Amino acid sequence: DIQMTQTPSSVSASVGDRVTITCRASQSIASWLAWYQQKPGKAPKLLIYAAVSVQSGVPSRFSGSGSGTDFTLTISSLQPEDFATYYCQLAHSFHPITFGQGTRLE
Amino acid sequence: EVQLLESGGGLVQPGGSLRLSCTASGFSFNNYIMYWVRQAPGKGLEWVSTITGGGVRADYADSVKGRFTISRDDSQNTLYLQMNSLRAEDTAFYYCAKDIGWGNYFDSWGQGTLVTVSS
Repeated sequence: DIQMTQTPSSVSASVGDRVTITCRASQSIASWLAWYQQKPGKAPKLLIYAAVSVQSGVPSRFSGSGSGTDFTLTISSLQPEDFATYYCQLAHSFHPITFGQGTRLE
Repeated sequence: EVQLLESGGGLVQPGGSLRLSCTASGFSFNNYIMYWVRQAPGKGLEWVSTITGGGVRADYADSVKGRFTISRDDSQNTLYLQMNSLRAEDTAFYYCAKDIGWGNYFDSWGQGTLVTVSS
């Protein structure tokens, strides 16, 4: 099975900072990748799908990049409501759906 | 507005059974692939199961294969997860989620229901 590895596992940042979270797949997954945001006590929320497409309603400060094995979620200017845990997810239909271990943004 | 509402969670002894339900509204339920995803308290997300529209095909994570069964009643807009032979490691919040429409992306989630397996 394909493994999804997120780095870092946690990151400290301040309002206004540019933040980058990385997800690496153990083999190529083309662009079959999503990013989710989860706040404590809440269900995850889809931010990015197909590696680079921003879900409707998601602020433009969120962006995704990458293809193959290396992917990045970028928050261009951190807002107070962005402090949460972020997960990447393998979405290739030929492989079991797999999430990264999460990155806590604090 | 898409709404997903899970129910059926609770405390169950190891080896016991539980059936979760997820009632959907706000979209054409029968046209969408649906999922169950779980999250142990304080841990990460784990995909559990997938079912296609009409229930034609179902897939399971290795950790639940042979013990859990996903099903759906498209006439009632309801998704189910029958969980048998429950183990302590099945303790988690269970979320139902809706497919975006064309790929394994979860664009809507329920609020989750907690399953606790303990004696």
